[in-house]
Amino acid sequence: EAGVTQFPSHSVIEKGQTVTLRCDPISGHDNLYWYRRVMGKEIKFLLHFVKESKQDESGMPNNRFLAERTGGTYSTLKVQPAELEDSGVYFCASSLGTSNSPLHFGNGTRLTVT
Amino acid sequence: GDSVTQMEGPVTLSEEACLTINCTYTATGYPSLFWYVQYPGEGLQLLLKATKADDKGSNKGFEATYRKETTSFHLEKGSVQVSDSAVYFCALRSASGTYKYIFGTGTRLKVLA
Repeated sequence: EAGVTQFPSHSVIEKGQTVTLRCDPISGHDNLYWYRRVMGKEIKFLLHFVKESKQDESGMPNNRFLAERTGGTYSTLKVQPAELEDSGVYFCASSLGTSNSPLHFGNGTRLTVT
Repeated sequence: GDSVTQMEGPVTLSEEACLTINCTYTATGYPSLFWYVQYPGEGLQLLLKATKADDKGSNKGFEATYRKETTSFHLEKGSVQVSDSAVYFCALRSASGTYKYIFGTGTRLKVLA
């Protein structure tokens, strides 16, 4: 089966610009998560979708971040306008709905805001 | 809230040396515990897991035991290889609420030939 895919793998933008990250989960995985890792720090939870619904968005840093999952398939994470502190690696992960289903991660998108 | 604390790296070892990466957690209830590994240029992969106290997870020669009394889940391997060089993340899956995963800071391991 195809794994979780993320696009782009790298993005370099200037402060104030907009960037949209995309994640395609494993087919059939209802749960989709976004995480972010800032250099050398922990992988921080951003939000969790169950199908197209936001189950938990407590980790979203502010209203410059908007995540969507229309139709319950792929998801996008838009940052508008980007700030320097948004730089980091954004990971997407998906899992089945059972309580002990492991997370399957994409390779991440490295975002650099200059 | 729930949290994970793991030892800071980097850890540099010679091939065939013993490895221990410490991980402790704070959580309500009985979370599931995981070790994930990230090889260079790749995403995170599940290495092993344990879902209840005293469970031992193992994979690829790595082991970790769920210790409720010390709230720990230390990763061990008796003889590391160059191919084990990667970043290792300890994580827990909350036992309540939205069951989200919480990760530690990651520990970079470098194994020298």
